[in-house]
Amino acid sequence: GAGVSQSPSNKVTEKGKDVELRCDPISGHTALYWYRQSLGQGLEFLIYFQGNSAPDKSGLPSDRFSAERTGGSVSTLTIQRTQQEDSAVYLCASSFQGRDTQYFGPGTRLTVL
Amino acid sequence: AQKITQTQPGMFVQEKEAVTLDCTYDTSDPSYGLFWYKQPSSGEMIFLIYQGSYDQQNATEGRYSLNFQKARKSANLVISASQLGDSAMYFCAMRASTGRRALTFGSGTRLQVQP
Repeated sequence: GAGVSQSPSNKVTEKGKDVELRCDPISGHTALYWYRQSLGQGLEFLIYFQGNSAPDKSGLPSDRFSAERTGGSVSTLTIQRTQQEDSAVYLCASSFQGRDTQYFGPGTRLTVL
Repeated sequence: AQKITQTQPGMFVQEKEAVTLDCTYDTSDPSYGLFWYKQPSSGEMIFLIYQGSYDQQNATEGRYSLNFQKARKSANLVISASQLGDSAMYFCAMRASTGRRALTFGSGTRLQVQP
């Protein structure tokens, strides 16, 4: 079956612009996660959605970052007023329930000039 | 808080030989899960193997096995009969069974398989 998909695969933007990254989880998976992978910080958790529960936003690095999940499926990660330190690969993962194995998408490589 | 330590930034192995990638962890949670992921140069994180903290036996998946030593807080990945396609970054990760569901990752080990 189809895996986790993310779009765009690459995004180049100018400092100060807003960007939106999209994640389509595996069909039927109720849990969705966003992570960020950068050279200096490794893999960092950003935000977690489970069903209709309030999201766990404890990993978001600043209030410029936000995410939503519509209809319990597709999720959008928004970064406002991008900074150069936001340059990283943003990975989305989903799992059947919050306790199960997380399956990752191919990531979106964000470059902020 | 949880912490994963991978002390081998890079490893080399000859094709067809076995290799062990080290992982130690620290957590105060009584129940947790340990995972290994492979990240080839394409960038996608590929799930390899899972070990639950209360599992009595070490997990195995094909050529992958997890050497779980709970008292030592180690969860080493063993790859048998290495193949050229095994060249990649390997990440150890853990997640508590209650509370926060996010994975905590180690810094990774880059494995290069030589012909």
